[in-house]
Amino acid sequence: EDQVTQSPEALRLQEGESSSLNCSYTVSGLRGLFWYRQDPGKGPEFLFTLYSAGEEKEKERLKATLTKKESFLHITAPKPEDSATYLCAVQARRDDKIIFGKGTRLHILP
Amino acid sequence: DAGVIQSPRHEVTEMGQEVTLRCKPISGHNSLFWYRQTMMRGLELLIYFNNNVPIDDSGMPEDRFSAKMPNASFSTLKIQPSEPRDSAVYFCASSSTGLHSEQFFGPGTRLTVL
Repeated sequence: EDQVTQSPEALRLQEGESSSLNCSYTVSGLRGLFWYRQDPGKGPEFLFTLYSAGEEKEKERLKATLTKKESFLHITAPKPEDSATYLCAVQARRDDKIIFGKGTRLHILP
Repeated sequence: DAGVIQSPRHEVTEMGQEVTLRCKPISGHNSLFWYRQTMMRGLELLIYFNNNVPIDDSGMPEDRFSAKMPNASFSTLKIQPSEPRDSAVYFCASSSTGLHSEQFFGPGTRLTVL
């Protein structure tokens, strides 16, 4: 069964303290892996799409990487405005179904 | 650009009542998605339209749920009759290139069924 597991469930960091969020996945043929950011009371906002192992993408303080079993979202020198829930989703090549993880709630303390 | 528009933003109803959620996708986008988000199950894709045609409704939980897209600028998700376990935040999203790319989400409708 295809599934996505994100860890940790919640993470508190001091401003400037770099860390990584993990997305482990099991899917029969990966078409794509997506990262979204969700602020409280709002819909998810697209960040990145990764398609193959070894691929990396960056946006400001965020960098997403992909292996055959997991993806990491690295956050460098985070600021309080980076506080949000980060969602990972995978799309299976077999049937194009999209499965979301339950997210990591990130809180950056000033 | 107004983004994806959803209404109502909040809906409180009693068990057994009919509920209709509405969505206006971004102009020019040809794909529309309905999602449900709960603490227990996270974000789940319910149904996906491409060029106003339902492509995959395997995520629709029961026959009580139905969705329509009569034209490129409007979609509805209907629950009849509603039950307390339907309480969740329902999101609509649209994209310009189908299921394989960036989706733009609306602000969601928070549904509470008493």
